[in-house]
Amino acid sequence: QKEVEQNSGPLSVPEGAIASLNCTYSDRGSQSFFWYRQYSGKSPELIMFIYSNGDKEDGRFTAQLNKASQYVSLLIRDSQPSDSATYLCAVIGGANSKLTFGKGITLSVRP
Amino acid sequence: GAGVSQSPSNKVTEKGKDVELRCDPISGHTALYWYRQSLGQGLEFLIYFQGNSAPDKSGLPSDRFSAERTGGSVSTLTIQRTQQEDSAVYLCASSPGLASRTQYFGPGTRLTVL
Repeated sequence: QKEVEQNSGPLSVPEGAIASLNCTYSDRGSQSFFWYRQYSGKSPELIMFIYSNGDKEDGRFTAQLNKASQYVSLLIRDSQPSDSATYLCAVIGGANSKLTFGKGITLSVRP
Repeated sequence: GAGVSQSPSNKVTEKGKDVELRCDPISGHTALYWYRQSLGQGLEFLIYFQGNSAPDKSGLPSDRFSAERTGGSVSTLTIQRTQQEDSAVYLCASSPGLASRTQYFGPGTRLTVL
């Protein structure tokens, strides 16, 4: 059973702080890693994708991948109340194309 | 262009009835996926299309579920003899295909089986 695990939440941070969201995966052959944001009652929205070890930055978001440790994270700098949502980590394995999702973590940014 | 569209947005049906859910992917996207999200559950993969063929049907929960895709575009997910446990949000996603695995989701169809 290929699994994607995320920290149990919820996570609450004050406005302006850095939110750190973590994810581990079990399939060592995984090649593609994604972070989706899902507001209540809405569908998942792609935030970041990363394929190579290291950091990838896009505005206030940084994705970090460590394949040796089978670990991927998302940092949100200068967190805003509008960042309050559920964040889903998703992984595509080596031989297939389907996304395997973690359960998600709910982030709350306090004004 | 437009994103992934799905219809209907909401569907209420009685147990035992058949339902059809439709997905219209982003123009030019060759890969299409169906997922299901139940209350309190994560997103669950159902089936994947590359063009009109379905190389991975491993997530379909029972033989009551089927899907087809025609013309490399629109896909229909059919659930026969619906059960209450089929109640969920059914999400469709599309991606450019082998060149890119990034998947973009539609708004979903909320199915309620009474």
